[in-house]
Order: sequence, then structure tokens, then C-alpha cells
Amino acid sequence: QTVVTQEPSFSVSPGGTVTLTCALTSGSVSISHYPSWYQQTPGQAPRTLIYNTTTRSSGVPARFSGSILGNKVALIITGAQAHDESDYYCVLYMGGGVWVFGGGTKLTVL
Amino acid sequence: EVQLVESGGGLVQPGGSLRLSCAASGFTFTDYWMNWVRQAPGKGLEWVAKIDQGGREESYVDSVKGRFTISRDNAKNSVYLQMNSLRGEDTAVYFCARSQWPGYFPSWGQGALVTVSS
Repeated sequence: QTVVTQEPSFSVSPGGTVTLTCALTSGSVSISHYPSWYQQTPGQAPRTLIYNTTTRSSGVPARFSGSILGNKVALIITGAQAHDESDYYCVLYMGGGVWVFGGGTKLTVL
Repeated sequence: EVQLVESGGGLVQPGGSLRLSCAASGFTFTDYWMNWVRQAPGKGLEWVAKIDQGGREESYVDSVKGRFTISRDNAKNSVYLQMNSLRGEDTAVYFCARSQWPGYFPSWGQGALVTVSS
């Protein structure tokens, strides 16, 4: 059973920078997992932020960026704003038409 | 504008069945894989099932294999999720999501709530 892990929660000050990560319990995340990131506020559908590790989805501000960080993948938010307070999910493509989501990170901006 | 609209959610008893539908518009439906992703109350997202453009290749998360069936009707621009032998742990909002290469979900519906309870 493939398990993808994320920090359960994170806190950042307004204007600060935060790095959220996504890892595999067994093995390394690579670009061949085509990592993508989603933002979700309560009661809403997820919104696509980053796909293919580093590509920002249309309309996503440049303060959101993605990268590979060692054996993990990362979502970096630079200059955090109050309305960035949301849940953030990564998902990895495992091949064969199968995806696995991470458990999500609840980001607090205060 | 891409639109995905789910319907068919509701309350069902354990062991029962339910069929979700997702009506798609605003894009060429036959060009894309379609998926169902669910979210249990207060929990994270979980990918559930995928179907290819022609409806011939399906894939499922292990926990629903043998109980859920994804299908599509390209003439109606619709994708379905037939859920049988439902369990309490299947209680969730079910999102219809379009996937595209390279392996991500650019478009989501608003979700349909399925509650499995006696």
C-alpha cells in the first residue's frame, strides 16, 4: 500500500515563506510521479495550483511555486497572505491510471 | 467554461447501492480520462476510480475494488459511479474530476454527498 505523507499542519506569518512537503513512506518522489498540488477551503472543490512538479496552473499567483526537495516534492508559498489559509494536498501519479493523495496540510496564516 | 455537475448522492443503508452521475460540458469529453475522488467528513482527498476515453480501461483504489464500477456514456458526456455493498466508511463527498496529461486534475465538480447509515 502506497502512502503519501504531508505535514498535518503548518503555521506562517503574513508575508512569510512556508515550504510544504510531500513524501513517500517507501522510496523517493520524482518528476515521474508528475506531482501536483491543490488548495481547498471548507465546503469547496479543490483548486489546482501546481502540476508536473513546477508548472503553475492558469491564474495562480507567482508566490506559489513547486520543486523537488531531496527525496520529496515541495510547495513553496512566498509572501503568504491571509487568504492563503487553506488545506493543501499533493497527489502523485503511480502509473497504470492510479493516483495517491497525501493526507493534506492545514495551513494557518497568523 | 468547463463544468462538471454531480448528482445522485443521498442517504443509503449499509449494504445498499447508489449510482452517481457527472454531467460534463465545456470541453471535448472524449479526449479525457475521467475520475471520481472522494472526501470523508473532516478528512483528506482520496482518488477512487478512473476511466479512459473509450470506457475500456478502468482503475480503482483497493478499498472499492469489486464493489464500485466506473463507466461513461460519451453520447451523453457523462460519467457514472455505481456503488454497491456500501459501508459506513464510504460516507463522503464524491467529486467528479477530469484528468489530463501530465497526470493531474485541472477540473473538478462541486461534489455529491453520499451518507451510508442505518
